[in-house]
Amino acid sequence: DAKTTQPTSMDCAEGRAANLPCNHSTISGNEYVYWYRQIHSQGPQYIIHGLKNNETNEMASLIITEDRKSSTLILPHATLRDTAVYYCIVRASNFGNEKLTFGTGTRLTIIP
Amino acid sequence: DAGVIQSPRHEVTEMGQEVTLRCKPISGHNSLFWYRQTMMRGLELLIYFNNNVPIDDSGMPEDRFSAKMPNASFSTLKIQPSEPRDSAVYFCASSRDVYGNTIYFGEGSWLTVV
Repeated sequence: DAKTTQPTSMDCAEGRAANLPCNHSTISGNEYVYWYRQIHSQGPQYIIHGLKNNETNEMASLIITEDRKSSTLILPHATLRDTAVYYCIVRASNFGNEKLTFGTGTRLTIIP
Repeated sequence: DAGVIQSPRHEVTEMGQEVTLRCKPISGHNSLFWYRQTMMRGLELLIYFNNNVPIDDSGMPEDRFSAKMPNASFSTLKIQPSEPRDSAVYFCASSRDVYGNTIYFGEGSWLTVV
């Protein structure tokens, strides 16, 4: 499985955009980039995913570089409820390899 | 829509006892995953099923652990006998199919073995 590298922790001021980077330099052509987050004591929550194009939904935007070796998750207007551990995961789409393999993630703290 | 439902939410048991964790996936989902989370090892996949058939059980720690999916709406993870090192949060997750679709997680079962 392609591995990802994320900063251990980040702070962001409330109301600002939070930009979370992720490196996945060994990503393969059939692997998607997924982002999940885990708020304390809860199950992981899906945020967004993409293959090579930038994606946006009601929660966040995902920017993937043209060479697909890195990506950035953007929370446009961070709130205190966005404090969580954010996981960047690469996931294959072929049968038998679809599992999500979690790393250690980035602990994002939103500061009032 | 109801999400992935797990039970019990919390369980405290004595070493040596049998523990059974239960999961009801989201209706219409045909892939089901069991994860375990500890401080030391983070989130790790134990086993996953597709159409009720185990596809990858390489993460199951040892013979004390077993998982079944008798039908599309129910799965169990059993630990027998339980040990203190099994204390963890166990998450069940499901997805509609295996080809790149989103995996949704339950709220977890918090297990403490004393």
